This record gives sequence, C-alpha cells and structure tokens, in this order.
Amino acid sequence: GQQVQQSPASLVLQEGENAELQCNFSSTATQLQWFYQRPGGSLVSLLYNPSGTKHTGRLTSTTVTKERRSSLHISSSQITDSGTYFCAMVGGSNYKLTFGKGTLLTVTP
Amino acid sequence: EAAVTQSPRSKVAVTGGKVTLSCHQTNNHDYMYWYRQDTGHGLRLIHYSYVADSTEKGDIPDGYKASRPSQENFSLILELASLSQTAVYFCASSETGRHNQAPLFGEGTRLSVL
Repeated sequence: GQQVQQSPASLVLQEGENAELQCNFSSTATQLQWFYQRPGGSLVSLLYNPSGTKHTGRLTSTTVTKERRSSLHISSSQITDSGTYFCAMVGGSNYKLTFGKGTLLTVTP
Repeated sequence: EAAVTQSPRSKVAVTGGKVTLSCHQTNNHDYMYWYRQDTGHGLRLIHYSYVADSTEKGDIPDGYKASRPSQENFSLILELASLSQTAVYFCASSETGRHNQAPLFGEGTRLSVL
C-alpha cells in the first residue's frame, strides 16, 4: 500500500530560524497536502501541492512528483509555529489520504 | 461557517462495552471520514462514506462499524471496545474524494478504554 515517510521526526529551532521538513512517498502522488496540528488540537490544511512550488505566507512547499518527494520550508520560525506537521498523499484513483507520522516542531525563544 | 463537530470530546469506556462517536458537518460535503491517531503516529483511515446510507472500509476497519444516516451525520461504533482502541479519533468531511480541496477536520474525540 501507499507509504509516506517524514523526516526529521522532531526538530527544535530558535525563533527566527528556518525549518525544512521532508516527505517521501512510495508511489506516485496525485494529491499531496501538508497539514498542521497544534498540540492537543485538530488538523488544518496548510498547502495543497501535488507538483511544483507553492507559497503561502512564510510557507513554501516544493513537490517533485517523479522523485516522489515533497518539502515544506518555514521561514523565520515563530513560537506559534510549534506543533506537528503532517504530509499526506493520495495515489492514483484512490480517494484515501495516507498520512506520514509527522514532524514535531518546537520553536524556542 | 463551515464546521465539523464531534461528540463527545472525550470518553472513558470499559472493555467490552459499546461506544458510539458522533460527527456532524454543516458543509454540505458528500465525503466524510473517520481517522484514528495514536501517540507519535499519523492518522489512519478507519471508514469513510461518500453518500448517505453507505459506508466504505478504510485501512483499519476491524473492530469498528460506521453509519451514515444522512449527509450531515456520520457515526463510528465500537461494539465491543478493547484496550487497543484507546486513541484520539478525528472525523473529517470533504466536498469530493479527490482531496484537491482539503478536508475539514473536527476537534477530535479522546477515547480511553479501561
């Protein structure tokens, strides 16, 4: 079945530093999304990016479909960016989102 | 405002008991999903539905049933709760199954089976 691997598993940054999160998937993704989960909270969609580069605010996602990988770059991290970031993909005609295990980001003062 | 509401927000159940988790959406979405999240893991799909009165199995359906009596409501049923079903459960809805529009998630239900 579809598999999604994220790295690193956890990341600690000082406020103002940049973060780079990686996502690799086992099969061609027709849909690729990044989600954010605040500690103890729900998930919210950050970016939908099945291919190419997308920006929103301080977030940039680059997906290289042929190489089955995507990245999420967070610039000038803030304490409120702390939480878990998930990559999720859909392969082929499958309607199911498959999630990675997430990257726990902690931003310190 | 679009919303997915889950109830209860937390529940303690006894092993072997019946548990029903409810989900209500006001988004007029066709697709609804139940996911399970275990500590340190991503979400895994249990059941989903794309039309009322019909449900489909996800990746980990064993031990769970689902019911979609209307477009707005989707329930997850644990007929015989077990310790291994302790987890946080998320309901989500989406307009289509293709996820080019991100699903909206509820706040989650924290279930502890003792």
